[in-house]
Amino acid sequence: GQNIDQPTEMTATEGAIVQINCTYQTSGFNGLFWYQQHAGEAPTFLSYNVLDGLEEKGRFSSFLSRSKGYSYLLLKELQMKDSASYLCAALDSNYQLIWGAGTKLIIKP
Amino acid sequence: GAVVSQHPSWVICKSGTSVKIECRSLDFQATTMFWYRQFPKQSLMLMATSNEGSKATYEQGVEKDKFLINHASLTLSTLTVTSAHPEDSSFYICSAGLAGDERNQYFGPGTRLLVL
Repeated sequence: GQNIDQPTEMTATEGAIVQINCTYQTSGFNGLFWYQQHAGEAPTFLSYNVLDGLEEKGRFSSFLSRSKGYSYLLLKELQMKDSASYLCAALDSNYQLIWGAGTKLIIKP
Repeated sequence: GAVVSQHPSWVICKSGTSVKIECRSLDFQATTMFWYRQFPKQSLMLMATSNEGSKATYEQGVEKDKFLINHASLTLSTLTVTSAHPEDSSFYICSAGLAGDERNQYFGPGTRLLVL
């Protein structure tokens, strides 16, 4: 079956760095997305990786290893507004998004 | 960028009534629209995929007679929750996709439904 695994919750300190991991098993693979979702709001796009390696975009970076079925989202210089759920989603061979349950990130001052 | 709107953003209704939620792509033509449901502290669950002019494809376990989807134009899809019950209370989110750009889905802001 298809499956996405990510930690349920993580806690980090303002100004620090946090890495949120995601492993996936899908029927075919057409890329991996990371979304940010604040409580009561729809997800907003953060990143898309389809090739192995690290993609950096400001304070956020995303890494993909296709051979390992693994990705991570790296958040640097954490701010209080980064407190949110971070959703990992893989695009399968039918271009359907398979969603993880999300990682709730709590930022402490 | 591509903008998707949903209306209403909030709805409270009595048990047994029907509720219609609209999803519009404002500045592009969406060949495909997706409807998701999200319960508290859970991830998005795909309910159905609709293509303009054809019947929606429902995910396993989603009752097509209860969740009516109409994708009448390239900019509008509607989800009607018929005979709503308290267990249907959830956050409903639509997203729209462009033909030839299957990687990307553009999400609407979501509709929070509370059935009393």
